[in-house]
Amino acid sequence: DTGVSQNPRHKITKRGQNVTFRCDPISEHNRLYWYRQTLGQGPEFLTYFQNEAQLEKSRLLSDRFSAERPKGSFSTLEIQRTEQGDSAMYLCASSLIGDNEQFFGPGTRLTVL
Amino acid sequence: DQQVKQNSPSLSVQEGRISILNCDYTNSMFDYFLWYKKYPAEGPTFLISISSIKDKNEDGRFTVFLNKSAKHLSLHIVPSQPGDSAVYFCAASGDYGGATNKLIFGTGTLLAVQP
Repeated sequence: DTGVSQNPRHKITKRGQNVTFRCDPISEHNRLYWYRQTLGQGPEFLTYFQNEAQLEKSRLLSDRFSAERPKGSFSTLEIQRTEQGDSAMYLCASSLIGDNEQFFGPGTRLTVL
Repeated sequence: DQQVKQNSPSLSVQEGRISILNCDYTNSMFDYFLWYKKYPAEGPTFLISISSIKDKNEDGRFTVFLNKSAKHLSLHIVPSQPGDSAVYFCAASGDYGGATNKLIFGTGTLLAVQP
């Protein structure tokens, strides 16, 4: 069990550029979550997958954000036309169906200049 | 609206003493509560959880107490160790009519354990 991994760990980009993050969950976990954390706040839910199906999206997830989990394993989160307000830590978590505990990756720190 | 509240941004305790971190919630639909610990530049690490059908859960030095009537839970760490110094997040999940189990987090409490 290697835990949840995320890549890259850090991303610096200029406003208006597109960025993509990857999350590899714990191998047998069929649920995958994306959260966003800004300074002084707790993580906020963005979206959720059960296997390859995206079952819920937060209103925080604007049209510029898209997430996929094509084969029910790894997931990607893409932000198009980044804005300075997108600067945050993007966290991925995974769990088994029926379990309440979610296990988090180390996060991707995004800085939009 | 902040459904999960951690009103103490920081707490400082001496090594060997008890640390008590508090959390309040407003949504009566929450039925499961979790505590996570977070070091800088790392993701949250799961510590301990409690179902709403219980009022106490213990795991080693960590005990979580739940008072449903007061919508309040607390995390006790005893004895506190310098390695416990981190930000602690309270989180809750509930039956929202779907199968999400998404977590709603508080804003965190920074615990500093002084040697």
